[in-house]
Amino acid sequence: GAVVSQHPSWVICKSGTSVKIECRSLDFQATTMFWYRQFPKQSLMLMATSNEGSKATYEQGVEKDKFLINHASLTLSTLTVTSAHPEDSSFYICSARDSEGSGTGELFFGEGSRLTVL
Amino acid sequence: QKEVEQDPGPLSVPEGAIVSLNCTYSNSAFQYFMWYRQYSRKGPELLMYTYSSGNKEDGRFTAQVDKSSKYISLFIRDSQPSDSATYLCAMSAGYGNKLVFGAGTILRVKS
Repeated sequence: GAVVSQHPSWVICKSGTSVKIECRSLDFQATTMFWYRQFPKQSLMLMATSNEGSKATYEQGVEKDKFLINHASLTLSTLTVTSAHPEDSSFYICSARDSEGSGTGELFFGEGSRLTVL
Repeated sequence: QKEVEQDPGPLSVPEGAIVSLNCTYSNSAFQYFMWYRQYSRKGPELLMYTYSSGNKEDGRFTAQVDKSSKYISLFIRDSQPSDSATYLCAMSAGYGNKLVFGAGTILRVKS
C-alpha cells in the first residue's frame, strides 16, 4: 500500500517554543492531507484538512494561529505547533488520500509524532 | 450523543476465539465504513473498507454493515496474539469527506 511518512517520530520541547512536524506521501501525490490529534486511550480527533496550494480548513475549536498548517506541495504538509504548552502534548497523526486513486476513500496514515512539552 | 459509538473494552479472548467488534452510528449520511488497527504508539492501518451495506471478507477478517440499523461489525476468526491492538471504526458521508472515528476497542488475545 501507499506510504505516508511523518517526521519526527517524537519530540520533546520546552514550553513556549514552536515545533514543526512533517508529513510526506512517499509514492503518491496527495492534494488533501488530514491532521489528527490523539490523546492517550482516546480516539483520533480531526484537527484540520490541509489542501495543497490553499488555506487549511480547521475543525471547530482548533486554533488556526496555534496550529499552523502548510501544504506547499503535493507530497508534503507541515504542522507547526506554535508557542507550545504542556497541554499540547499529544500524539499527532497525519493521513493522506491518493489524488489519483480509485476513489475508494482510503486514507493512508503516517506513523504519528509524539510531542511532549515540558 | 456521539456520532459514532464504540465500546472501548478492553476485550480479552483466548487464542483461536472468534472476535466481534461493533460500532453504532447516528448519521444516516455515512456511506463509507472502515476498520483500522492501531498498535501502541503507531499510526492506524486500514484493515477493511466497505461501501454501503453488506459483507466483505478478507482472510480472517469479515466486515458487516447494516445501514438500516446503523450498525457495523468486524469479525476476526482464529484470533492470534498478534491481533492484540486497538481497533477503530471510522466512517464518512462521502469520498473526500472527513472521517469520524469511534473511540476504539482494545483487544487482547491471550495465548
